[in-house]
Amino acid sequence: NAGVTQTPKFQVLKTGQSMTLQCAQDMNHNSMYWYRQDPGMGLRLIYYSASEGTTDKGEVPNGYNVSRLNKREFSLRLESAAPSQTSVYFCASSEKAGYPAEQYFGPGTRLTVT
Amino acid sequence: AQKITQTQPGMFVQEKEAVTLDCTYDTSDQSYGLFWYKQPSSGEMIFLIYQGSYDEQNATEGRYSLNFQKARKSANLVISASQLGDSAMYFCAMRGNTGRRALTFGSGTRLQVQP
Repeated sequence: NAGVTQTPKFQVLKTGQSMTLQCAQDMNHNSMYWYRQDPGMGLRLIYYSASEGTTDKGEVPNGYNVSRLNKREFSLRLESAAPSQTSVYFCASSEKAGYPAEQYFGPGTRLTVT
Repeated sequence: AQKITQTQPGMFVQEKEAVTLDCTYDTSDQSYGLFWYKQPSSGEMIFLIYQGSYDEQNATEGRYSLNFQKARKSANLVISASQLGDSAMYFCAMRGNTGRRALTFGSGTRLQVQP
């Protein structure tokens, strides 16, 4: 089992460029999440998907879009990157949205926007 | 709304000693879960321990234990017999049973274990 995988691991963008961060899980989990982690801070929720076919905004959704392509894959898109989106992005999954399911995290994508 | 507060930006501990990392929380949910994650310098998030709000006993996982005091809304992590490999960032997080049910994280505590 690979668990949760993310691509790419590192990315440098120029302001205004677009890109898609990919996430896949092989644990047959229903729920998937995208978080961002800024220096000195904990993770903050960008978007989540409680089940295939549904997506909802989290705490910091502005500037992002998501697609739950199927049960395994949940992508995060930056349409027009801004320096404020420089961060480390984590994808996570859990068996179900309800408590107390533990979340499993991918290795993260370090994004720099210049 | 849920909030997690970790008031210790950094902690030092001697190898083989025990250390307590503080976490307080606030929520209006009656049912919720509390989690601790470890983030080493390599960056991955590693799940350590979980406590449910209705669990009567404090959770333990090997050298990790969670000191849960519901009335005080605290969920402190205790690491016994610290090892050099315990040096990392530690995050407390919670999830309620309503709303989006994603994790809300604290700002973290950086633990450094000294030989």
